[in-house]
Amino acid sequence: DQQVKQNSPSLSVQEGRISILNCDYTNSMFDYFLWYKKYPAEGPTFLISISSIKDKNEDGRFTVFLNKSAKHLSLHIVPSQPGDSAVYFCAASSNDYKLSFGAGTTVTVRA
Amino acid sequence: ETGVTQSPTHLIKTRGQQVTLRCSSQSGHNTVSWYQQALGQGPQFIFQYYREEENGRGNFPPRFSGLQFPNYSSELNVNALELDDSALYLCASSLGLAGDSEQYFGPGTRLTVT
Repeated sequence: DQQVKQNSPSLSVQEGRISILNCDYTNSMFDYFLWYKKYPAEGPTFLISISSIKDKNEDGRFTVFLNKSAKHLSLHIVPSQPGDSAVYFCAASSNDYKLSFGAGTTVTVRA
Repeated sequence: ETGVTQSPTHLIKTRGQQVTLRCSSQSGHNTVSWYQQALGQGPQFIFQYYREEENGRGNFPPRFSGLQFPNYSSELNVNALELDDSALYLCASSLGLAGDSEQYFGPGTRLTVT
């Protein structure tokens, strides 16, 4: 049972434009949400997170928005850069020990 | 400060065999989690170890087992390998148990079962 879903397997965006990645979840007990970035042959690296008590968190070019009523979060990357080309995973936890991941979205930034 | 390392990088095994994968946690981290990432999917939680004790398990059968050592290195053992066990196995270390402790992932071990 997939509790975290990323329905867009891929996203292509022009350099300098905004990338918007979406994530939906079904478990209402999730209270912490994270985005990870993964390059080929490397492990996922933490990008940005948000607690359920907030609806927005910003870190440089990256902003995560959380809509609890819709059980939806999104990651905005502005402006997109070629180095942002990677697989992005949405993950969630419920104050326990494990992360539940989505299937990932592959982002390609075109020059 | 060294990052999380895993060995081997790649491994090919035959159905029915046993395999041991190794992970060296980031310095000072007392918690290690193991994940299985099948092709085209996100990582799936296998289990977590905290101070050498298993502290939580995902939906994986008992033939998946682990060990954590005092130096914070750890092992994932899989017995009676099945074709569906073919996947990338990731370990992640963190300082503490809470779900919001940042986890640092290793590059993974690619296991192929034939």
